[in-house]
Amino acid sequence: KNEVEQSPQNLTAQEGEFITINCSYSVGISALHWLQQHPGGGIVSLFMLSSGKKKHGRLIATINIQEKHSSLHITASHPRDSAVYICAAVNAGGTSYGKLTFGQGTILTVHP
Amino acid sequence: KAGVTQTPRYLIKTRGQQVTLSCSPISGHRSVSWYQQTPGQGLQFLFEYFSETQRNKGNFPGRFSGRQFSNSRSEMNVSTLELGDSALYLCASSLAGGGPRAEQFFGPGTRLTVL
Repeated sequence: KNEVEQSPQNLTAQEGEFITINCSYSVGISALHWLQQHPGGGIVSLFMLSSGKKKHGRLIATINIQEKHSSLHITASHPRDSAVYICAAVNAGGTSYGKLTFGQGTILTVHP
Repeated sequence: KAGVTQTPRYLIKTRGQQVTLSCSPISGHRSVSWYQQTPGQGLQFLFEYFSETQRNKGNFPGRFSGRQFSNSRSEMNVSTLELGDSALYLCASSLAGGGPRAEQFFGPGTRLTVL
């Protein structure tokens, strides 16, 4: 079992739909990143959070440290949101302290 | 401000050769992290440098090494290339001492193909 698990692996939506991508982790973390990767490889950091909730435009990220779970929500989805979304946990202890462990990514396709 | 730059963008090597990739962070950023992305393994952490010191290292063999210069530019080197080293190599910079615990700004990557 991977230390960081994302679901779903693939997600198809119609324009305008509300989208949720989930990330669960089994290790202690100090922070969690949500990243977006478009075809061609470029990665953009969407959020970094260690507690609570952050919002930026149509994107919302939440994290529950006790439940070891984070979600990324996209409201009013648009075809330009089509990308791979990756969560990455910053390990908090042991020999992996400070290292990033990545989820396998969620491929999102939004149809017009 | 200019973003993170990586050179070269594309590289083709043969097995057994060695390769050096370069990363220039955003001006003022002192932490540089390197990542490998492959279709099978996804993104994996290679190492992180801050103030010319390696602060953290992922689970990669010793063939993978790196360094950081006084101007924060970083290089990573892979010796004795194997077919499985074919990947997209990404670097990311962050402000001050945050490293992976701070917002990461990614470069466009270097796509390495090993034949």
